[in-house]
Amino acid sequence: EPEVTQTPSHQVTQMGQEVILRCVPISNHLYFYWYRQILGQKVEFLVSFYNNEISEKSEIFDDQFSVERPDGSNFTLKIRSTKLEDSAMYFCAGRDYSSYEQYFGPGTRLTVT
Amino acid sequence: SQELEQSPQSLIVQEGKNLTINCTSSKTLYGLYWYKQKYGEGLIFLMMLQKGGEEKSHEKITAKLDEKKQQSSLHITASQPSHAGIYLCGADIGGSQGNLIFGKGTKLSVKP
Repeated sequence: EPEVTQTPSHQVTQMGQEVILRCVPISNHLYFYWYRQILGQKVEFLVSFYNNEISEKSEIFDDQFSVERPDGSNFTLKIRSTKLEDSAMYFCAGRDYSSYEQYFGPGTRLTVT
Repeated sequence: SQELEQSPQSLIVQEGKNLTINCTSSKTLYGLYWYKQKYGEGLIFLMMLQKGGEEKSHEKITAKLDEKKQQSSLHITASQPSHAGIYLCGADIGGSQGNLIFGKGTKLSVKP
């Protein structure tokens, strides 16, 4: 059964550094999402992406964040200058055109020190 | 803004017992999703409900969406230790691309 994959599983970075989180969505998915979950808190929507552009973004997704689909398989989230409060689990998700079922990846745990 | 309230926050049941988790929205839902999460891991898709009165089952788990599309319940029959985890309800609140908001989750423990 196809799965969403994410790399790395855990990333430790120093405050102010740039990080790129990578996702390989399920091949027939066309809508892509990033969510995050700060430890002990709710899962929060960050951004949705369709047809090679951002569809919607939340207040969390400020100028420090960007997303890209550099090729036909990868979907990336970049944080330009990480802050301590960016420490969280980041989840990639996707769905196909006809179904609203969203499938999530296993997440990348980002720790900013 | 729309909120999702889940109850109970946590639940401990004896193996073999039935249980129900509830999810209530402050506004009409366009879609209601149930996921299971093990601590520190990803969200596993369980079911999605869209129509008022809809009910879906998978193995021993049944989810229902009420007629007004503001409340959903997740029912587990004859619970097993493998059912333990955090159950999250998520809702499509009508954003153009189907982005979801989530409840805080219900932590389920099943005692053998």
